Amino acid sequence: QVTLRESGPALVKPTQTLTLTCTFSGFSLSTSGMCVSWIRQPPGKPLEWLARIDWDDDKHYSTSLKTRLTISKDTSKNQVALIMTNMDPLDTATYYCARMTISDTNFQYWGQGTLVTVSS
Amino acid sequence: EIVLTQSPDFQSVTPKEKVTITCRASQSIGRNLHWYQQKPDQSPKLLIKYASQSFSGVPSRFSGSGSGTDFSLTINSLEAEDAATYYCHQSNSLPYTFGQGTKLEIK
Repeated sequence: QVTLRESGPALVKPTQTLTLTCTFSGFSLSTSGMCVSWIRQPPGKPLEWLARIDWDDDKHYSTSLKTRLTISKDTSKNQVALIMTNMDPLDTATYYCARMTISDTNFQYWGQGTLVTVSS
Repeated sequence: EIVLTQSPDFQSVTPKEKVTITCRASQSIGRNLHWYQQKPDQSPKLLIKYASQSFSGVPSRFSGSGSGTDFSLTINSLEAEDAATYYCHQSNSLPYTFGQGTKLEIK
């Protein structure tokens, strides 16, 4: 059974750095073809894909946010982290992690999401 | 970056009605288009993958079609539980993108 769970601070101040962790079970990110993405959704707004990390440590980022994002994995802990620098109130959103595979490139499994508010 | 434009943004429908939501891509994406349903305060759920393949456990009233730049999601005989926002998503090329969403209200 595949599960994912996001964790991190609920509140950050403008200009601070956000670190989110996705802890998963039911699969291994060392298995060929596995990928984990981060996706966010500001309140009342659409989904926005942020980043993806692959089993072979290949990384991909949103064009508009790539200078502020770093994605990484800890295979031994079954975790994927997302670091976002220079947070702004416009980054207030629910942040989701989701799993896909390189051969089935859709998001079949999602975490429940974690709401991050950026405010002083 | 591929832009996905959904139509309509909002639709109010009655139970048992048939609904069609469209998603247009700014360039050809083959059949690499997926549909999700999101209810308030829930994570999105995959409905249709690769334009027309139903995901496991999804009711048969949901179907998808299209290829290239034009896609559609059809819900036959709408039920009250189908009230939600629906998103399309392309995985033809990175960065992945989503449509702006279509909110369905059940009268």
